[in-house]
Amino acid sequence: DTAVSQTPKYLVTQMGNDKSIKCEQNLGHDTMYWYKQDSKKFLKIMFSYNNKELIINETVPNRFSPKSPDKAHLNLHINSLELGDSAVYFCASSRWGAVQYFGPGTRLTVT
Amino acid sequence: QQPVQSPQAVILREGEDAVINCSSSKALYSVHWYRQKHGEAPVFLMILLKGGEQKGHEKISASFNEKKQQSSLYLTASQLSYSGTYFCGTEIGRGSGAGSYQLTFGKGTKLSVIP
Repeated sequence: DTAVSQTPKYLVTQMGNDKSIKCEQNLGHDTMYWYKQDSKKFLKIMFSYNNKELIINETVPNRFSPKSPDKAHLNLHINSLELGDSAVYFCASSRWGAVQYFGPGTRLTVT
Repeated sequence: QQPVQSPQAVILREGEDAVINCSSSKALYSVHWYRQKHGEAPVFLMILLKGGEQKGHEKISASFNEKKQQSSLYLTASQLSYSGTYFCGTEIGRGSGAGSYQLTFGKGTKLSVIP
């Protein structure tokens, strides 16, 4: 059983399009995260949700909007995609104050 | 603030040892270590809480010096499977709400183990 899953694994799209990435965890965790890893491998937190409530909202363009329909799901919607959005996006989950488990990542390529 | 990792890269022959350091300018509550292999997700190795404890995981161990706000990851008798990029993630404190703690990751140390 996959603990943290993301779909799609690869996403290729053109500038200006809108796309979504979905994340699900079956670990019973109450906190979920979105990270962006750029071409230089820098792993940066974007958002964090605890019990469906937004906790961390780092300085990211407002074109990025997370949504958590329930504790097991955290989706990321991106409007008006730009070349600089190309990266690998990782979802992660944890219990409060504990280890974060990462999903397999979604490689987004904007052309 | 992003922790500083050193070295940026290291090449080892099988059986050699390595140390990866992670330093912060802020007081730390905890340090987390992850390993990421090429094309894969980061995988948790260990967590150290303030108190200077040392933890071990097979031949990989780590320490946390609270006074220096520094953690070190020790890899002994390296194996080919140790190759990957090692990240430290630091937590400077807990927020007011449950689940509000935040990890800031260093830029990573690329470790290559060759036969």
